[in-house]
Amino acid sequence: GQQVMQIPQYQHVQEGEDFTTYCNSSTTLSNIQWYKQRPGGHPVFLIQLVKSGEVKKQKRLTFQFGEAKKNSSLHITATQTTDVGTYFCAGYSNYQLIWGAGTKLIIKP
Amino acid sequence: NAGVTQTPKFRILKIGQSMTLQCAQDMNHNYMYWYRQDPGMGLKLIYYSVGAGITDKGEVPNGYNVSRSTTEDFPLRLELAAPSQTSVYFCASSYSMRDVGNGYTFGSGTRLTVV
Repeated sequence: GQQVMQIPQYQHVQEGEDFTTYCNSSTTLSNIQWYKQRPGGHPVFLIQLVKSGEVKKQKRLTFQFGEAKKNSSLHITATQTTDVGTYFCAGYSNYQLIWGAGTKLIIKP
Repeated sequence: NAGVTQTPKFRILKIGQSMTLQCAQDMNHNYMYWYRQDPGMGLKLIYYSVGAGITDKGEVPNGYNVSRSTTEDFPLRLELAAPSQTSVYFCASSYSMRDVGNGYTFGSGTRLTVV
């Protein structure tokens, strides 16, 4: 079946370091959405990418959609404690939204 | 706006009991979804609805039932609860399934334990 693979599963960073999570799809996606889930919370929509090669920024967050529309990335510059949580990608293909398994961002004390 | 409201927030069920998880949205969204999230895992789609009176199975529908009599409400019924149904259940809604724009809006979840 169609899959969206998300890596890494976990990433430990020192506060102030950068963080990146990657999503790769087995099929071409119509669009890709990104969500953040704080510990104990619910997923919250961050952004949607639609166009091939699209890059969008939200303050310290940079989102990219690959040229072939089969991969995407989220990069956070200079992480802060408020960035802690799990980041999910979800790609739309063949009338269904396919979720990645998420990348958990952990800030080292 | 309240967005998506789920009740109850927590519940403990005994094996074999039944319950209904309630979900209501006030955004006039046609599309509504039920997901389950096991500890440390991603989201799995249980059922979804494209409008009042129309529902369809997702990835993991066994052991659950849904109904959609109004645009606002989308309850999830668990019959004969089993320990494997211990999970966090999220209801979500969207303008469309593809939803170019505002994404899916999630409720705060129901944390269910079956003992």
